[in-house]
Amino acid sequence: GAGVSQSPRYKVAKRGQDVALRCDPISGHVSLFWYQQALGQGPEFLTYFQNEAQLDKSGLPSDRFFAERPEGSVSTLKIQRTQQEDSAVYLCASSLRAGGSSSYNEQFFGPGTRLTVL
Amino acid sequence: AQSVTQLDSQVPVFEEAPVELRCNYSSSVSVYLFWYVQYPNQGLQLLLKYLSGSTLVESINGFEAEFNKSQTSFHLRKPSVHISDTAEYFCAVSEYTGFQKLVFGTGTRLLVSP
Repeated sequence: GAGVSQSPRYKVAKRGQDVALRCDPISGHVSLFWYQQALGQGPEFLTYFQNEAQLDKSGLPSDRFFAERPEGSVSTLKIQRTQQEDSAVYLCASSLRAGGSSSYNEQFFGPGTRLTVL
Repeated sequence: AQSVTQLDSQVPVFEEAPVELRCNYSSSVSVYLFWYVQYPNQGLQLLLKYLSGSTLVESINGFEAEFNKSQTSFHLRKPSVHISDTAEYFCAVSEYTGFQKLVFGTGTRLLVSP
């Protein structure tokens, strides 16, 4: 069965370059999350989509980070003018239902994209 | 806001020995509690979760965790570990409501040696 996929799996960028990271969620999943996992740390929330609507972007570290999900399925996380501190694994997760209910809504994670900024 | 503390960054243990990985959390609202496992070069996998009801939850591969509300803890235990249990383990919480974003601890690396 198809899980969450992310591409590329590894990305090396020179400082100052722009990068785009792709997430393909499980088909039919309404909710999509991006997390950033720095070396030796736990994942930290970046942003949340419900279908095509970005409902929370409070975790984006700077205005160089931008995420979109234009058709409510595939999502792209874009980082402009990359800096060394952007080096991390970027994780995408999807869940079946929209937020707002009190029932548990399991998140399924992709394998992540490891970004190294030189 | 929630926070999760995993005090042990690394736990070395011999094969077939018992292990406990500690997790404490802080939250002003009720939360769901999780343990995730991350094997080398793989994504996060849900190991077990506490949603409600019995405070002791178990996984299919022999791990268990107990929710202790008074101590705000959710420690992970296994009575006898295998080499294949070597991985990074993350404790996490999410609110009941809203879109249930996960808040993770910093992780504990379990190193099982023969």
